[in-house]
Amino acid sequence: NAGVTQTPKFRVLKTGQSMTLLCAQDMNHEYMYWYRQDPGMGLRLIHYSVGEGTTAKGEVPDGYNVSRLKKQNFLLGLESAAPSQTSVYFCASRGADSYNEKLFFGSGTQLSVL
Amino acid sequence: EDQVTQSPEALRLQEGESSSLNCSYTVSGLRGLFWYRQDPGKGPEFLFTLYSAGEEKEKERLKATLTKKESFLHITAPKPEDSATYLCAVISSGSARQLTFGSGTQLTVLP
Repeated sequence: NAGVTQTPKFRVLKTGQSMTLLCAQDMNHEYMYWYRQDPGMGLRLIHYSVGEGTTAKGEVPDGYNVSRLKKQNFLLGLESAAPSQTSVYFCASRGADSYNEKLFFGSGTQLSVL
Repeated sequence: EDQVTQSPEALRLQEGESSSLNCSYTVSGLRGLFWYRQDPGKGPEFLFTLYSAGEEKEKERLKATLTKKESFLHITAPKPEDSATYLCAVISSGSARQLTFGSGTQLTVLP
């Protein structure tokens, strides 16, 4: 069982460069999420999707874009990276059952922007 | 706006020394409170969901309880392998099915 897979695991960017983080899930989940985790601040929601072709803004969306062209994939893009985007990024997914709302997380992407 | 505060930020215990972690929350209509465990370099892993005040759930040495204002994660006779960061999160009727996370408690159990 692969669950939620994130690529890459590590990345170093220079200010102004762009990149895309890929999240793939094999559990047929409707909902997918991108979080960032910074020391002392917990997990903060960047963007999320409630189904194929849909996206919505979370708590900290500025500087990021997302796409959900296929149900199993959720992409997070940084068009012009900034040092403030240095963080650990986590993707998560869950089913649409309202009584079973636990999230399944990927193992994270550590991003450094110099 | 939903808010979650966890305390303490860090806790060091000797093996076998029981203790509790606290999660205080402010939400408009709690739909669920979640506990996750996160090991270094890994994503959070689900432990429990609590839905209503008075509810309790147990798993091995862990027991989670819920009141109208807070949740406790009780750790009984912990072992070094229980060392991890424990995260609390809530989902409310006003949150569009988004979880709000606390900043976590980093637990270290010394042998």
